Amino acid sequence: EPEVTQTPSHQVTQMGQEVILRCVPISNHLYFYWYRQILGQKVEFLVSFYNNEISEKSEIFDDQFSVERPDGSNFTLKIRSTKLEDSAMYFCASRQGIEKLFFGSGTQLSVL
Amino acid sequence: DQQVKQNSPSLSVQEGRISILNCDYTNSMFDYFLWYKKYPAEGPTFLISISSIKDKNEDGRFTVFLNKSAKHLSLHIVPSQPGDSAVYFCAASPGTYKYIFGTGTRLKVLA
Repeated sequence: EPEVTQTPSHQVTQMGQEVILRCVPISNHLYFYWYRQILGQKVEFLVSFYNNEISEKSEIFDDQFSVERPDGSNFTLKIRSTKLEDSAMYFCASRQGIEKLFFGSGTQLSVL
Repeated sequence: DQQVKQNSPSLSVQEGRISILNCDYTNSMFDYFLWYKKYPAEGPTFLISISSIKDKNEDGRFTVFLNKSAKHLSLHIVPSQPGDSAVYFCAASPGTYKYIFGTGTRLKVLA
């Protein structure tokens, strides 16, 4: 079965540094997402991306965050200046139409 | 503003019995609902969905019930198996791009 793949699986960074989380969505999917889960809490929506632009974003997704689809396969989340509270598991997801989201296995981001 | 709530943080069930996981929502604009299962250090895995035009959807051991007037949905797993032990999330969409997730219920199926 096709998969959403995310790299790296773990990322450790110093506060204030920039990080880029990478995702390869399923190839024929059109809608792309980033979610995050702080340890023990709910899965929170960050941003959705369709037709090469952001379609919706949450309050969490402030100016420190950006997304990009630099080519036909990759989808990235950039955090410009990481804060301690950005430490979380970040999930990429994709879908084809109005149906289920397929999630990647996540990137555990630790900000020290 | 927690639009999707799962009020039971955990549930224990004997193997072979029924597991019932509940989810409540507040936004009447939600028209599509999904259940996901999540193991530690893995991404959520889709289980089953239901649109607001239905009140029941069944797939093997999993059945989702939707009560629109009560703004409530439930996931029934029959029979429960030890491999079902995981955290279960309900999610809802108002027909826009985003899906809003509940806080999750940790299910433990006892052998």
